[in-house]
Amino acid sequence: DTGVSQDPRHKITKRGQNVTFRCDPISEHNRLYWYRQTLGQGPEFLTYFQNEAQLEKSRLLSDRFSAERPKGSFSTLEIQRTEQGDSAMYLCASSLRQGINTEAFFGQGTRLTVV
Amino acid sequence: QKEVEQDPGPLSVPEGAIVSLNCTYSNSAFQYFMWYRQYSRKGPELLMYTYSSGNKEDGRFTAQVDKSSKYISLFIRDSQPSDSATYLCAMSAVPNRDDKIIFGKGTRLHILP
Repeated sequence: DTGVSQDPRHKITKRGQNVTFRCDPISEHNRLYWYRQTLGQGPEFLTYFQNEAQLEKSRLLSDRFSAERPKGSFSTLEIQRTEQGDSAMYLCASSLRQGINTEAFFGQGTRLTVV
Repeated sequence: QKEVEQDPGPLSVPEGAIVSLNCTYSNSAFQYFMWYRQYSRKGPELLMYTYSSGNKEDGRFTAQVDKSSKYISLFIRDSQPSDSATYLCAMSAVPNRDDKIIFGKGTRLHILP
């Protein structure tokens, strides 16, 4: 399978716990995006990377959230001290940013439930 | 005003009908326009991708971009029950550092057999 892979697919955690999600992009894609999606809403931008550099963080990304892409390949998204409002689908996408090409492909997402 | 506006629906049409889905946007820097299809509890799947204005056709799907009106459309011909899903429009600006992809809320589409 050469698509975007996310792990885990589902995560249930107690409020106050830390969680970490992993995203493996399509091989050689230099862009990697994180989005959050709640029921009935479109994906909301959280952050994105060009190779290992984090280009922008949304104001949605509070200090409890941190994302890394240490070697420009896979990425992790960590949420510290989870709150019930963090319950959502966390989506990762990757693209090959080259010239005008910007098509982004998504993984299946990690569904987080904070109880 | 949100950067990308999309009617959330739901939109119900009979099988075989032509479906028209639309988005408006406010950022004139947007140059890349995409349509994604998302089934329940799945990740979005890229359907169509258009650069700048004009039309693009792929099988039963046609994407149109009117930059002068800041309006994009997706048409589905001969709609099938399997087309029932949420359709998301998405767009981004010219290649520079501020070119993140912004999504609409999505339109829920039901094709009635």
